[in-house]
Amino acid sequence: GAVVSQHPSRVICKSGTSVKIECRSLDFQATTMFWYRQFPKKSLMLMATSNEGSKATYEQGVEKDKFLINHASLTLSTLTVTSAHPEDSSFYICSAPPRLAGGVMYFGPGTRLLVL
Amino acid sequence: DQQVKQNSPSLSVQEGRISILNCDYTNSMFDYFLWYKKYPAEGPTFLISISSIKDKNEDGRFTVFLNKSAKHLSLHIVPSQPGDSAVYFCAAVTTGGGNKLTFGTGTQLKVEL
Repeated sequence: GAVVSQHPSRVICKSGTSVKIECRSLDFQATTMFWYRQFPKKSLMLMATSNEGSKATYEQGVEKDKFLINHASLTLSTLTVTSAHPEDSSFYICSAPPRLAGGVMYFGPGTRLLVL
Repeated sequence: DQQVKQNSPSLSVQEGRISILNCDYTNSMFDYFLWYKKYPAEGPTFLISISSIKDKNEDGRFTVFLNKSAKHLSLHIVPSQPGDSAVYFCAAVTTGGGNKLTFGTGTQLKVEL
């Protein structure tokens, strides 16, 4: 079946540093990928839509200069948390649809970010 | 504005019994609904889905029911197994609207021996 991977699975960094998270579709091409954030005991909140070959589309309230998204190829999207602060600590999950119809989405395993 | 709601944050069921997880939505533009299962520190895994043109979809132990007039869907798991213990999210999407999923807040299911 369709597989989406994320790297790293866990990262701890100091406040003020930038962290890059990679999302890869392993056996299909994805012109669109999605980045979600999950707070403890909360729902998954869509942050942005990553579009291959064009700018990402950010949801309301998400700082695009804070969360930089680059969809470099049909199998790779990266999320960079710039100048990370403790409040950015969260579980970040990417997803990709193997086909446009149907809405079925496959998710990566997630990345746990802890900013000290 | 929470467009997809799961009003029960937790549910406890005995092994072998039926688990019923409920989900309500407010946006009438949603036309496709999905259920995902999530373990801690992992990404969600797809379970089952249903199109708005149907009122029931079954896959093994999992059945999803959709009541469009009530804007309500439910996931039935029978028989429940201890391995089903996880957080279950319902999600809704407007197909043709960019495949953006709107998630509910999740229900923690615990299946006890």
